[in-house]
Amino acid sequence: KQEVTQIPAALSVPEGENLVLNCSFTDSAIYNLQWFRQDPGKGLTSLLLIQSSQREQTSGRLNASLDKSSGRSTLYIAASQPGDSATYLCAAGPGRGGADGLTFGKGTHLIIQP
Amino acid sequence: DAGVIQSPRHEVTEMGQEVTLRCKPISGHNSLFWYRQTMMRGLELLIYFNNNVPIDDSGMPEDRFSAKMPNASFSTLKIQPSEPRDSAVYFCASSSGGRGLNQPQHFGDGTRLSIL
Repeated sequence: KQEVTQIPAALSVPEGENLVLNCSFTDSAIYNLQWFRQDPGKGLTSLLLIQSSQREQTSGRLNASLDKSSGRSTLYIAASQPGDSATYLCAAGPGRGGADGLTFGKGTHLIIQP
Repeated sequence: DAGVIQSPRHEVTEMGQEVTLRCKPISGHNSLFWYRQTMMRGLELLIYFNNNVPIDDSGMPEDRFSAKMPNASFSTLKIQPSEPRDSAVYFCASSSGGRGLNQPQHFGDGTRLSIL
């Protein structure tokens, strides 16, 4: 059964800093890995999807990398802004021969101090 | 372009009552997912439909939970009878591209369910 772990659970940094959020997963036989953002009381917003054949994806100030062999993904946020404050969720899957849904980590709660 | 639409946004009801949650996926998406989010367990997949057919319901906690997708634009998740431990935020998500592989899942804003 796939397990996804996110470190750290919470992070507070001053505005302008570059930061890295970490995600690890136990079953590397995945088709893709997805990063989401969740604001309080809201649903999830898809940020980046990395296919299993890709190493990274970029969108604006966000860059996500995927290393399937080591079961790791990172989300890099450049020049952080207060508007980046949210919970960031990593989701692995679907898996080959397994369930088609996503397996989520518990998230990293990020606060960017103005 | 309308996203995934869920209703109601909030539901408060007493233990033992029937609860029905509703979801309208994004038009053209043929994969639909129901998830549940709690503080203790995080986000968990309950059931997955592809082309209106339930493919994987292994996450449905027990027989009190049932889900249907009568057509491509509507799905329901029903709990009967409801219990306090069912209190959670329930999300619906949809995606395109066959069985949803390598296509991002798009989430609704969720239904916050409280069972008293």
